[in-house]
Amino acid sequence: EVQLVESGEGLVQPGSSMKLSCVASGFTFSNYGMNWIRQAPKKGLEWIALIYYDSSSKYYADSVKGRFTISRDNSKNTLYLEMNSLRSEDTAMYYCAKYGSGFDYWGQGVMVTVSS
Amino acid sequence: DIVMTQAPLSVSVTPGESASISCRSSKSLLHSNGITYVYWYLQKPGKSPQLLIYRMSNLASGVPDRFSGSGSETDFTLKISRVEAEDVGIYYCGQLLENPLTFGSGTKLEIK
Repeated sequence: EVQLVESGEGLVQPGSSMKLSCVASGFTFSNYGMNWIRQAPKKGLEWIALIYYDSSSKYYADSVKGRFTISRDNSKNTLYLEMNSLRSEDTAMYYCAKYGSGFDYWGQGVMVTVSS
Repeated sequence: DIVMTQAPLSVSVTPGESASISCRSSKSLLHSNGITYVYWYLQKPGKSPQLLIYRMSNLASGVPDRFSGSGSETDFTLKISRVEAEDVGIYYCGQLLENPLTFGSGTKLEIK
């Protein structure tokens, strides 16, 4: 059974940093691209970052480019999202999602709240 | 960026009836390889989104065949036949043709 389990949830102040993790199981993690997708409270889905299976390419939404970094450790079956210079508009539920035939598996999500 | 526009914003359906949700893309999602890169997701209340349809018309694993996807290069439809109570939630279309990957704003399905 495919499982994606995010961690790193929390409340942080504007301008600070935070790192999210997503541990994968039930599939060969090193064979698949992975994504981070977020959802602000009561809002729709926003894709924010994609990393290829071998980390050879990374893509970002303009809203996070230069502030967020996606990375992965295939030896640990873990995906990361390092978030710097956080803003109130980054407040959202953050999901990791496997890139198969579409975003075919999603984690349960972690809530990131940016507020003073 | 490719803009995905969904309609309607919400739909109320009697159990057993059918429902259709539309999605329009600002650019053709038909790749030169013949694949149309449009996808449909359902987010049930309080849950993570789940994949329903991939590449316009292919049913994702475990999804009931009451769901079907169709369309052209820029106009797409998700049809739910024989709607059940468990189908309530917000339906999103999305495109994977090019970065940034984008979603529609969602269509809320309610049961009458």
